[in-house]
Amino acid sequence: AQSVTQLGSHVSVSEGALVLLRCNYSSSVPPYLFWYVQYPNQGLQLLLKYTSAATLVKGINGFEAEFKKSETSFHLTKPSAHMSDAAEYFCAVSGKTGANNLFFGTGTRLTVIP
Amino acid sequence: GAVVSQHPSRVICKSGTSVKIECRSLDFQATTMFWYRQFPKQSLMLMATSNEGSKATYEQGVEKDKFLINHASLTLSTLTVTSAHPEDSSFYICSAPDVTSRSYNEQFFGPGTRLTVL
Repeated sequence: AQSVTQLGSHVSVSEGALVLLRCNYSSSVPPYLFWYVQYPNQGLQLLLKYTSAATLVKGINGFEAEFKKSETSFHLTKPSAHMSDAAEYFCAVSGKTGANNLFFGTGTRLTVIP
Repeated sequence: GAVVSQHPSRVICKSGTSVKIECRSLDFQATTMFWYRQFPKQSLMLMATSNEGSKATYEQGVEKDKFLINHASLTLSTLTVTSAHPEDSSFYICSAPDVTSRSYNEQFFGPGTRLTVL
């Protein structure tokens, strides 16, 4: 069974400050992990993914995440928040191939304060 | 990356009517597509897995007779909400993996369809 827990449904940061969105996973098989961003009334856009290669994954828009097996974590970070980063962020886990469906966390709404 | 479209983007209907939502893979073939539902301020919940040429697989608690899924071709899956009621109002999102590409382990999401049942 696979599941994801996102700690903190709302996170607020000042513009220019560090962004840290937390994600812990549970998986009975080696996981593939994803971070998606969703803007209001839109679908999901992939930020980055971990697929058993490098544990530090760099994505779009300056985001990165580190896979830590010992902590079963895949936290998302960005050194300096921008106003355009304000959105809903979802962590997700799947099995080995894309043909497996994704299990999503409950999401974290990021607010960036000017 | 691969592109998935949905139509319509927004639909308003009366209670008791049926609504069809289309999900298309525009530049790749998708033998499998997934349908998710997202209620306001909540996460995405998988409703069903659509399989080309065979019956869809529904998640527990999802009524297959209410949410009809047809995956008649490698680029099109449809979700029909039959006899819609206000509680069916939600954001419906489809996704598909492009298993032939280097991004085979990635799901490509459609832009979603906002259904409002009056």
